[in-house]
Amino acid sequence: DAGVIQSPRHEVTEMGQEVTLRCKPISGHNSLFWYRQTMMRGLELLIYFNNNVPIDDSGMPEDRFSAKMPNASFSTLKIQPSEPRDSAVYFCASSPSSGRVYEQYFGPGTRLTVT
Amino acid sequence: GQNIDQPTEMTATEGAIVQINCTYQTSGFNGLFWYQQHAGEAPTFLSYNVLDGLEEKGRFSSFLSRSKGYSYLLLKELQMKDSASYLCAVVNSGGYQKVTFGTGTKLQVIP
Repeated sequence: DAGVIQSPRHEVTEMGQEVTLRCKPISGHNSLFWYRQTMMRGLELLIYFNNNVPIDDSGMPEDRFSAKMPNASFSTLKIQPSEPRDSAVYFCASSPSSGRVYEQYFGPGTRLTVT
Repeated sequence: GQNIDQPTEMTATEGAIVQINCTYQTSGFNGLFWYQQHAGEAPTFLSYNVLDGLEEKGRFSSFLSRSKGYSYLLLKELQMKDSASYLCAVVNSGGYQKVTFGTGTKLQVIP
């Protein structure tokens, strides 16, 4: 079975450029999470979708960040404009239902470097 | 809000037992879980505790005391492949079950 798929795996971009990260959750899972991980702050929840609807976006750093989930099999996280402090690993995770959020399956992550 | 504390780093010897502690403060509690993350890889689910007591899964066990806001992950018969970060996370109660991760404990297993 395919797990959570993320693309790209690595992204290097210059400050001010737009970055789009993509995620395909596990088929049949109705909860999707975007996380950011850094050495200093650990794993931080950015946004949580349930049935394609954003439930909690309180972790989105600022207006430069936006996320969409147009259907059950695809989500994007966009940063515009990007800044060096956005450099981190971004994980997407999905879970079978909103009642089992502890059981999250993580994608391989996208390592973003903003120079 | 939620606050989760874990030691930053630990070192243990192959074949030994190690206990990784996690303390938390939360406005509403609906379970605690542990994830393992090898360097450069994604976190993978290890265990989930919602009631007090010990849950055992092979070489790994997880303990929870809700009254003390305390959990630990116990790893027995340590193997070199157990070198990884171990993330403690709390699920809160309320409108939706929000998950908050600790910063993780980096465990190094030495020969």
